[in-house]
Amino acid sequence: AQTVTQSQPEMSVQEAETVTLSCTYDTSESNYYLFWYKQPPSRQMILVIRQEAYKQQNATENRFSVNFQKAAKSFSLKISDSQLGDTAMYFCAFMKDNNAGNMLTFGGGTRLMVKP
Amino acid sequence: EAGVTQFPSHSVIEKGQTVTLRCDPISGHDNLYWYRRVMGKEIKFLLHFVKESKQDESGMPNNRFLAERTGGTYSTLKVQPAELEDSGVYFCASSPLLAGVTDTQYFGPGTRLTVL
Repeated sequence: AQTVTQSQPEMSVQEAETVTLSCTYDTSESNYYLFWYKQPPSRQMILVIRQEAYKQQNATENRFSVNFQKAAKSFSLKISDSQLGDTAMYFCAFMKDNNAGNMLTFGGGTRLMVKP
Repeated sequence: EAGVTQFPSHSVIEKGQTVTLRCDPISGHDNLYWYRRVMGKEIKFLLHFVKESKQDESGMPNNRFLAERTGGTYSTLKVQPAELEDSGVYFCASSPLLAGVTDTQYFGPGTRLTVL
């Protein structure tokens, strides 16, 4: 079974600064996907970024980037130039790769507050 | 394109009553997932439909929970009889079924269930 751990229940950052959210996971699988989802207050969860384990290059989406360390089983999310709209719960998630559909295993979440 | 929708957004019932949650996936998405987040804990997988068939129901907590997806479109999750520990937020997600591709899951806003 897979486990995902987010060690920071809450974090805060000043607007325009950079913040890094931590995520570690445990698995015996060799092929898998990792995701960061964001859930703003009273709104639905949306995908921030995804990483295929077979890719060495770290995924990037605008101000969001990941530091994927496969050997260390670490998958942190860096948010650059933080904006007030980044205030949300952030969930790290793992999915086995079976070339079809599969369940997500989530971490406990990190509540991020961006302060003006 | 409409996203994943869930109904109701909130439900408050008494212990022993029955509640039915509904999820409408994104049109054309054959994969449909149910997840649950109990207060203060991780989001946990409940089950996975491929079209109208249950692909994986390993996360269903007990036989008080019944999920259906007649016709392979919308899905319902019935809890009967509800217990206090069933309180939480129930999320639905969907994704396309594409051969050889593991696609992103798109989430609905969730149904917040409170059992008194």
